[in-house]
Amino acid sequence: KTQVEQSPQSLVVRQGENCVLQCNYSVTPDNHLRWFKQDTGKGLVSLTVLVDQKDKTSNGRYSATLDKDAKHSTLHITATLLDDTATYICVVGDRGSALGRLHFGAGTQLIVIP
Amino acid sequence: EAAVTQSPRNKVTVTGGNVTLSCRQTNSHNYMYWYRQDTGHGLRLIHYSYGAGNLQIGDVPDGYKATRTTQEDFFLLLELASPSQTSLYFCASSDAAANTEVFFGKGTRLTVV
Repeated sequence: KTQVEQSPQSLVVRQGENCVLQCNYSVTPDNHLRWFKQDTGKGLVSLTVLVDQKDKTSNGRYSATLDKDAKHSTLHITATLLDDTATYICVVGDRGSALGRLHFGAGTQLIVIP
Repeated sequence: EAAVTQSPRNKVTVTGGNVTLSCRQTNSHNYMYWYRQDTGHGLRLIHYSYGAGNLQIGDVPDGYKATRTTQEDFFLLLELASPSQTSLYFCASSDAAANTEVFFGKGTRLTVV
C-alpha cells in the first residue's frame, strides 16, 4: 500500500506564478520529511528537510511546512522560473539515521511555461 | 559535496542478458543503496549495504543481486534480465549519522528488449 501520496500528479503554471505541492503520508514513525527536486534525466537533489512536530523551513524561493499530527506537508514555490520545471518528490524517513527506511512519494511533475 | 557516480548512464540489453550497473561514492559513506524508479511509483529499494562485504535485502530484490566490493563501490547485477526490469535505477549513499542527507547518483536508464 502506498504510504506517501503526493498531489497533484502534475501541474502547469506560468513563469512568475506561485504554486503549492502537497504530501500526505501514513508512515509511522515519521522521524523526518524531505523534499527533493528531480530534473529530467538527473538524480534527486535535496531542497529541504523538516523534523519537528510542526515545522517550517525556507530555502530561497522554496518554503515547506510539516504537520506531523495531520501527517501532511506542503512545498511552496514562489515566483516560479522555467528552471523549476522538474519532478518534486516527498520522502518520509522513519528513523533519524541511515538505519531507517525512506518512503518515497511518486512525485509531482511541475511544468513552468513562459 | 558528496559525489555518487553511476555507470553506464544508459544501457540496452536483450531478455536473458547479463547486466552490471556500477556505482562509486567518494565521501566514505557507510551506507549505499540501489533503487528503481518506475512511472507512478515512488523509488523502491532493491538492495543496500552498510559496508564493504555487507549486503542487505530491500523491498523489491527478486531478480537482482548486489555486491559491495569496497567502501566506495556498489554493484547491481541482473543475471537474467527481463523486460519487467526496464527501469531507471538510482544509486545513493549516506552516512550513519542522525538526520543524515542522502546523496543520489544521476541514474542509469536500463531497457530490456
